[in-house]
Formats: sequence, C-alpha cells, structure tokens
Amino acid sequence: NAGVTQTPKFRVLKTGQSMTLLCAQDMNHEYMYWYRQDPGMGLRLIHYSVGEGTTAKGEVPDGYNVSRLKKQNFLLGLESAAPSQTSVYFCASSWVLNTEAFFGQGTRLTVV
Amino acid sequence: SQKIEQNSEALNIQEGKTATLTCNYTNYSPAYLQWYRQDPGRGPVFLLLIRENEKEKRKERLKVTFDTTLKQSLFHITASQPADSATYLCALDLRNAGNMLTFGGGTRLMVKP
Repeated sequence: NAGVTQTPKFRVLKTGQSMTLLCAQDMNHEYMYWYRQDPGMGLRLIHYSVGEGTTAKGEVPDGYNVSRLKKQNFLLGLESAAPSQTSVYFCASSWVLNTEAFFGQGTRLTVV
Repeated sequence: SQKIEQNSEALNIQEGKTATLTCNYTNYSPAYLQWYRQDPGRGPVFLLLIRENEKEKRKERLKVTFDTTLKQSLFHITASQPADSATYLCALDLRNAGNMLTFGGGTRLMVKP
C-alpha cells in the first residue's frame, strides 16, 4: 500500500518552461489537493478536487492548472514557469472533505 | 480574511516534560481543527482531529483542546521524547470560506535528551 505518490521528487525548470506534476493515490479517496509550501508562508492550497472530473480553485491558483481524469490521479500543470513558483509542492488525499489528509513526499521545484 | 497563528519560534523542552503548542485563529468558525506532524523533507502526517462541539481529544501521549470561544487550540505531548522533535501544524476546515483546508505556519518542537 503506497498511499500517496508524487512524481517527480525534484525538478529544475527554466523560466517559461512547462511541466506536469503527477499525484497518484491507491486508497480510493474521493478528495485530492495540491499545496505549495514556502518558508514563512506555510502550506497554501493551490487547487483541489472533490471527485473524478471535478476541480476547484484554492487560495493561490494563478499560474497553475489541474486535471482529475481518473479518481486515483491528480495532475498539477505549470504552463509557463516563473521563479515565483519555486517551492515544495505537496499532494494530499482524503476520504472526507478536508479531514485526515494523507500527504505525498513532496516535489521540490526550482525555477531559474 | 481568516488567519491562523502558530508560534513561529521553536519550542525547546527537556525529555520527559510536557510540550504545549498553541494554535489561534480569527474571523471564522471551523467545523474541525486538525493537528499534523511534519519531519524535514517529508509531507505532513495527520495526528488528531477535534470537532467544534468537542472540548478535548486524546490519543496515547497526545491531547488536543479546542476552545471555540477563545478561537484557540492547544496541543499537548506528555512525557516528550527526542523522537517527538518535528514541526507541528494545525489545520482548519473553513467550510464557510470556500471549503478550504487551511494550515498554520507550524511550530518546531525540539526535545532534548
């Protein structure tokens, strides 16, 4: 039972490049979330999903897009990376909305 | 706007003592309040959840209190051990603010042997 798995673990991007972060969960959770964590800012919600095919904006959605085509996967896309998007990104999932979230190990992204 | 405050300064205590961490929030009435533990380079791990109609919740050496009048939660670790050293995050389910699960900045706990 792997829980929540994020791919990749590390990535360096040049400004303007695009990439997709993949989150996969094997717990059949309905709800999934993408957060970014920055020093002094804590965890901030980017987007979340309340089920397959549905997504919603969080606190800091600008510059990001998401898709939930399959229940077990939640993708976070950066269309044109900016240095301000340098951060550690965490994916999480839960049975019930906003409770007992299981987190992945994080993706450390650097945009130069 | 809503705000969640945790002491940003590290809390240093001696092994065997009780550690008490504070989470204060403003403006909103969360349905739930949760505490997570985060170790360096790892994702947060869920510890405890307390509902708005509960005053106290316990799990082994952990105890959480929730005072909706003071808008404050206290997180206690009794008989602390060096292995308890980590950053502890509180999180609020702000259902009346866009359904977001919102985290505080965390407090780093250091337990010295």
